[in-house]
Amino acid sequence: DAKTTQPPSMDCAEGRAANLPCNHSTISGNEYVYWYRQIHSQGPQYIIHGLKNNETNEMASLIITEDRKSSTLILPHATLRDTAVYYCIVRSRSNDYKLSFGAGTTVTVRA
Amino acid sequence: DAMVIQNPRYQVTQFGKPVTLSCSQTLNHNVMYWYQQKSSQAPKLLFHYYDKDFNNEADTPDNFQSRRPNTSFCFLDIRSPGLGDAAMYLCATSGQQLENEKLFFGSGTQLSVL
Repeated sequence: DAKTTQPPSMDCAEGRAANLPCNHSTISGNEYVYWYRQIHSQGPQYIIHGLKNNETNEMASLIITEDRKSSTLILPHATLRDTAVYYCIVRSRSNDYKLSFGAGTTVTVRA
Repeated sequence: DAMVIQNPRYQVTQFGKPVTLSCSQTLNHNVMYWYQQKSSQAPKLLFHYYDKDFNNEADTPDNFQSRRPNTSFCFLDIRSPGLGDAAMYLCATSGQQLENEKLFFGSGTQLSVL
């Protein structure tokens, strides 16, 4: 499985963009990068996913480097409600595309 | 509108007393998953069903069992809960088992073992 590496924590100012990095240097060509987040005491919530191209939806943008070895999740205007643990996950055919969570990044948005 | 529903939200059981957690879905998804999440840890996959095909993770203890009587419902049975089984249990669903399929999670059941 392609492993991911994320910083354990980061702070962000309310109203500013939050840029969350993720390294996945062993990713292979057909593996997708997924981002989920988990607000305290809730189930994980899907944010976005991508293969090669940058992606944007109503929640966030996903920037994947050309070599696909790293990606950045961008929350364009962070709010206090974005405080959560953010998980970067690579889904692999080798493990039947299971969603396996790593440690994630604890993001704290401060007023 | 809740699409993956877990009941109850909080469950208290006694050491060694069997307990069942339930999950239902309105998405008509083929795949249902059970995760265990202990305090301050990431969710850990216990097992999943693809339709009626049960798939156990290699390191899931025998104490944990699951049933899926139909597409909509899935149950997690803990035969003899120990103190170490206190955790949040999360149910999730997906349409298929493919790399570009999203998982939808319920709100979880917080299990306490006394």
